[in-house]
Parts: sequence; structure tokens; C-alpha cells
Amino acid sequence: GENVEQHPSTLSVQEGDSAVIKCTYSDSASNYFPWYKQELGKRPQLIIDIRSNVGEKKDQRIAVTLNKTAKHFSLHITETQPEDSAVYFCAASKGNSGYALNFGKGTSLLVTP
Amino acid sequence: NAGVTQTPKFQVLKTGQSMTLQCAQDMNHEYMSWYRQDPGMGLRLIHYSVGAGITDQGEVPNGYNVSRSTTEDFPLRLLSAAPSQTSVYFCASSYSPSEQYFGPGTRLTVT
Repeated sequence: GENVEQHPSTLSVQEGDSAVIKCTYSDSASNYFPWYKQELGKRPQLIIDIRSNVGEKKDQRIAVTLNKTAKHFSLHITETQPEDSAVYFCAASKGNSGYALNFGKGTSLLVTP
Repeated sequence: NAGVTQTPKFQVLKTGQSMTLQCAQDMNHEYMSWYRQDPGMGLRLIHYSVGAGITDQGEVPNGYNVSRSTTEDFPLRLLSAAPSQTSVYFCASSYSPSEQYFGPGTRLTVT
């Protein structure tokens, strides 16, 4: 089946530093790549997404980059804050459907004051 | 709008029992999906639907059935529960290849 690999599995940064999470995917037909944030005991919530016709997207302190040739995409969080601490999941669409997703295994981000 | 709702929030089953996890959305979304989440495994797609009457299998469909008789509802049936099905189950919906809205989840324990 299609695979999404996510690294690192855990990441600890100091408040104010940047955090980068990387994902690779195997399905060349994937065209939609969202990132979800999940706090303990809560549902995943979309924080940013990117489509295959775009190389980079930014929303305040969060940015995502996509390299379709290499089949990898990354999440960048700048000026991290303690409330950014959570588990982050990348995902890639199942083929070009967009609405069914294959998820990475998650990155547990800890931002220490 | 209530968004995506799931019932029950918690459930304990004995091995071999059957049950249905309910999922409903009031956003008129065509697309709905079921995922299970296990520690260290991320979310894995069980089944999904692209509209009423249309369903397809995801990554881990064995032991689960779905149907989609209305746009609003997408129930997940466990035919004969096994301890390996202990997990947190999330239902999600979307109107296009875009943001999937997740329900609050159902925590299922099979003993």
C-alpha cells in the first residue's frame, strides 16, 4: 500500500527556536498534503495544507514546502511557543482523490520555555 | 452546525461481540472516512465513502463493515470484536479534496 514516512518521531526545541518535520510519500498520484495537530485526548485539527501545483505555502509562523520530484514535504514552525507542543501528523491523499488520506506516524513536539 | 458527531464516546466490548460506531455530519459533505488511531501508528484508514451508496476499503478494512445510505450518516460495524480492534476511532468528512473535519473520536476497548 501507499506509505508516508515521517521524521523525527520526537522533537524537543526551546521556545523561540524553529522546528522542522519532514515527510516522504510513495504514491506518485498524491496531490494533496495536509498537516494536522493533535493535542492529548483531542481530535486532529488541520493547521496547513498544500496542493501539488504549489511549492510552498505560509500561514503566519507555519510554512509547508513540497518537492513533488523527490516526493517529500516539510512543516516549518518558526518562533515556537509552549502551546505548539502537540503531536503533528503529515498526510498524503490516496491517489488524486484528496478526501481519503494516508498518514505518517506522527511527531511529538515539545517546546520548553 | 454540530459538525461531525460520533457516538458512543467510550465502549467496552467482550471478544466476539458486535457493535456499530455511529458517525453523523450536518455539513452536507459528500466524503466521509473512518480511521483508527493506535499509539505510535498514526491514523490508519479503515473505509471511506465518496457519496451515498458508494464505499471503498482503506488500509485496514478487515473486521469492519460500512454502509452509506444517506449523506449524513456513515456507521462503522464491528462484526465480531477482537482485542486487536482496541483503538480510538475517528470519523472524518469533507466536501472536496480539502480540509477533513474529524469527529471527537470513540475509545473502544475489547477484552
